Amino acid sequence: GDSVTQMEGPVTLSEEAFLTINCTYTATGYPSLFWYVQYPGEGLQLLLKATKADDKGSNKGFEATYRKETTSFHLEKGSVQVSDSAVYFCALVGRGGTSYGKLTFGQGTILTVHP
Amino acid sequence: GAVVSQHPSWVICKSGTSVKIECRSLDFQATTMFWYRQFPKQSLMLMATSNEGSKATYEQGVEKDKFLINHASLTLSTLTVTSAHPEDSSFYICSAGGGLAPETQYFGPGTRLLVL
Repeated sequence: GDSVTQMEGPVTLSEEAFLTINCTYTATGYPSLFWYVQYPGEGLQLLLKATKADDKGSNKGFEATYRKETTSFHLEKGSVQVSDSAVYFCALVGRGGTSYGKLTFGQGTILTVHP
Repeated sequence: GAVVSQHPSWVICKSGTSVKIECRSLDFQATTMFWYRQFPKQSLMLMATSNEGSKATYEQGVEKDKFLINHASLTLSTLTVTSAHPEDSSFYICSAGGGLAPETQYFGPGTRLLVL
């Protein structure tokens, strides 16, 4: 079945540091890929998405590029802020078989940014 | 953006009782709603998919008689945890999709259930 593997956390950075959270996936066909963010005490929010190979999703300074050849969708931000502290989930929506239309999540990566 | 609410936000109950959690899409019609369970420091696990007016589809390993799902309207789905036990304590999250963008789900803030 479909699966998503994320870089294990927690990740601790100083403000203005560069962020990379790795994400790789296994899926049937060509899934859509997502990054969700969960701030403390809140529900998941869609951060960005990409629906086909080589697409780049971006939002709030975060970017991720759909790499079919490496089955990856790494999240990056050039300069993190304290307000970016949250849990980040990589996810995909399957295209094949019983996975069609269902979100499969990675295990989540906790990011803490210090002033 | 689309707003999904859940009620209650947290609940404590005694073992053996039943608890109902509501999920509402406030500003759009959701043909499909999803229920997830999230354990501490772990990912979300899909429990079931509910489509308005039809029976829910449960994921493998989820007891349909314990986790009753009703999607009676395009804006409301409910999850009832029947005869709750301490191992049912968890964070339950719903999401709503369909209408705006089928592949994009909008998540509720979650309901924390503690069974004593």
